Amino acid sequence: GESVGLHLPTLSVQEGDNSIINCAYSNSASDYFIWYKQESGKGPQFIIDIRSNMDKRQGQRVTVLLNKTVKHLSLQIAATQPGDSAVYFCAESYTGNQFYFGTGTSLTVIP
Amino acid sequence: GAVVSQHPSWVICKSGTSVKIECRSLDFQATTMFWYRQFPKQSLMLMATSNEGSKATYEQGVEKDKFLINHASLTLSTLTVTSAHPEDSSFYICSASLGQDEKLFFGSGTQLSVL
Repeated sequence: GESVGLHLPTLSVQEGDNSIINCAYSNSASDYFIWYKQESGKGPQFIIDIRSNMDKRQGQRVTVLLNKTVKHLSLQIAATQPGDSAVYFCAESYTGNQFYFGTGTSLTVIP
Repeated sequence: GAVVSQHPSWVICKSGTSVKIECRSLDFQATTMFWYRQFPKQSLMLMATSNEGSKATYEQGVEKDKFLINHASLTLSTLTVTSAHPEDSSFYICSASLGQDEKLFFGSGTQLSVL
């Protein structure tokens, strides 16, 4: 696989603030990227995706930025809410089939 | 979005027994499904790619005789953990996509505890 699991970094934000979660991906040939949200004991949920022909994509309250030069992906969450507390993973694909997950970031929203 | 169902959600078994986990695509056909493994506070590690009607493709370091995968239909893939040991205790998650180069949809995961 492309990524190795490590202990999760954490991010704490105040409710209402914006959150920025970062991800460094490993394969320069990766051309499709997805951000997933995972709550404890559940499977990952799709948040937003971006392909390598774009550098920014916006969804509802979320924005993904892609910097292929430095192999960096970020997820911005606007007006963070307590329900946003979860672990966030980026996933990359270069095969069009398999996806490999990054380390993940645990987001805690403080009410 | 597409719905992927995984069963059971939790299983406890004795060391040496085998455990089967099912993954179903409920509202679409999936020629390819993927099995991941996740240890506490760690990332998802891709174990294998399950291909309908043919052998699974395993990631480096994953024992295919230990983790048997069967994908006999377009809506069902199974993962059997054979002769389970405590070190196999983990969260196993399956996923499927609507096609090549499409996003993955995940099942709810199976927590396996081997005593």
